[in-house]
Amino acid sequence: DAGITQSPRYKITETGRQVTLMCHQTWSHSYMFWYRQDLGHGLRLIYYSAAADITDKGEVPDGYVVSRSKTENFPLTLESATRSQTSVYFCASRGWDTEAFFGQGTRLTVV
Amino acid sequence: AQKVTQAQTEISVVEKEDVTLDCVYETRDTTYYLFWYKQPPSGELVFLIRRNSFDEQNEISGRYSWNFQKSTSSFNFTITASQVVDSAVYFCALSARPSGAGSYQLTFGKGTKLSVIP
Repeated sequence: DAGITQSPRYKITETGRQVTLMCHQTWSHSYMFWYRQDLGHGLRLIYYSAAADITDKGEVPDGYVVSRSKTENFPLTLESATRSQTSVYFCASRGWDTEAFFGQGTRLTVV
Repeated sequence: AQKVTQAQTEISVVEKEDVTLDCVYETRDTTYYLFWYKQPPSGELVFLIRRNSFDEQNEISGRYSWNFQKSTSSFNFTITASQVVDSAVYFCALSARPSGAGSYQLTFGKGTKLSVIP
């Protein structure tokens, strides 16, 4: 099925652990984005990518790492999870002249 | 840098009232895109409209209308005859290049929570 999918949908992890959130899109969109959503802050951009092997920092990149070796995948890694990274994470993709399409979100809890 | 400001954090209206959600943006880029998204209580993000910087025509889609004014850097959203199903958080977003060149970032405002009371 065409679309953008995130996995897992829910994740509980412990402080200090590494965790990777996956994002996969089937449209071959050039642009991909990671956001976190917290009450009172709306959607804050963590990292984005204009193409494979091109990534840029967004507003809140600290503590996160991304890679984009293939156009369709854009994983987000929390190198050493902290409680402040408890959030809902959204991945999005966008073509040159399209709207952004969002995944269903991943609810991450760091305990 | 680029920025989207949605000054209204929360709005409550009675059903059938009209309501306007404000959006003001800042960018140095001359080619940019503006969007509105709806996030209902179920949590998904639903696309409503996209506008590019060269198209200042206002748009109407059913009960929804959008007013894009470059002179005031605003892209406001009006819901006419609001309904309970319109209750959601609405986000305005801007796609532009932070330094006028390079990759297009996609920046969201903090959202406006709309509650429509029956």
